[in-house]
Formats: sequence, C-alpha cells, structure tokens
Amino acid sequence: EPEVTQTPSHQVTQMGQEVILRCVPISNHLYFYWYRQILGQKVEFLVSFYNNEISEKSEIFDDQFSVERPDGSNFTLKIRSTKLEDSAMYFCASSTLDRAVQPQHFGDGTRLSIL
Amino acid sequence: SQQGEEDPQALSIQEGENATMNCSYKTSINNLQWYRQNSGRGLVHLILIRSNEREKHSGRLRVTLDTSKKSSSLLITASRAADTASYFCATVGSNAGNMLTFGGGTRLMVKP
Repeated sequence: EPEVTQTPSHQVTQMGQEVILRCVPISNHLYFYWYRQILGQKVEFLVSFYNNEISEKSEIFDDQFSVERPDGSNFTLKIRSTKLEDSAMYFCASSTLDRAVQPQHFGDGTRLSIL
Repeated sequence: SQQGEEDPQALSIQEGENATMNCSYKTSINNLQWYRQNSGRGLVHLILIRSNEREKHSGRLRVTLDTSKKSSSLLITASRAADTASYFCATVGSNAGNMLTFGGGTRLMVKP
C-alpha cells in the first residue's frame, strides 16, 4: 500500500537555525498537510496546500513557517529561525480531492528537537 | 472543552474485552475520523464516518455518530494486546476546508 514518507526521522537543531522537513506524499494525492504534536499535547493543524498554493493555515503558521512543493514529489516545511517551542513531532499528510469521503494519510513524522 | 474531546483519557482492559472510547465536538462537521497512534509513530487512519451516517463497521471496529449530540464512539471488540495505542478522533468542519481538528486522545492499554 502506498504511504507518506518523511525525512529525517529525527532532527536536532540549534535555536535560531533554519530547518527544512521533507515529505513525499502519496503519488496520486492532491492535498498536502503539515501538523505538529508537542509532547503530551494534541495534534495541531499547521497548513494545507493544494494546486501549488496554501489553501488553509492556522494561527501557529506564522511568518517563520513556509511550505513548498519544489518538484513533482516532495513537499517541504521550512522554519526560518527556530525557537525552543518549535520542538515537536511534525507530521505530513496527504489526501485526494474529495474531502467528504477520503481520509488523510499520515507519515511517521519528524521529531524536531531545538537546543 | 475544545473540538474533538475524547473520554476516557486512559483505558485499561484485559485481552478479549471490548473497549469503548467517546468523542465530543462543538461545531458542525462534514465528517469525523478515528486514528490510531502507536508510541512514537505516525497516525494510522482507522475509519471515516460522514455527517449523514449513523454507524459504520470495519472488522472489529464499530463507530457511531450522533450529530444531534455532537458525539461519536469507537468500539473495539475482542481486544488484543496489539490494540494497545492512543486513539484520536478528528473532525473536518462543514465549512470549506480540509483541516482536521484533533481531540486529546484516549490511551488504551490491553493487558494479555
């Protein structure tokens, strides 16, 4: 069964540094998402992306964050200047177009640790 | 409480017993989904129920949805030790958009 893959599985970065998290969504999916889960807390929506542009974003997704689909397969999340509170699991997900009947498929996540 | 709150927060049962987890939400929805998360892993989709459906089955899973009460339940029958995980409900709102709003989850432990 096709799956969403994320790299790296664990990223350790110094505060203030830029970090790029990478995702390869399922090939025939059209919607792409990033979520995060701070340790012990709920999974929170960050952003959705469709047709090469952001379709929705949450309050968390401020100017420090950006997303890109640089080619036909990758979907990236960039954090420009990381803060301690950015430490979390970051999940990428993808889905087909019909939101009423199609679930989102998640990757295994990238654990981001900011020192 | 926030959108998509589960109860109980933790549940411990013996193998073979049934496990029931409940979820409440606040706004109108397009659909409600249940996900499972093993420790340190990603979210695995279990089942999706649309707002016009009342009950859905998948293997040992049974999901109900009561839109008048804004609540859903997930029943796992004949539980196994391998069912030990956290279970989350997540809603897609009825307005435009696909974002999932997650609840806090139920930690299920199934003892062999």
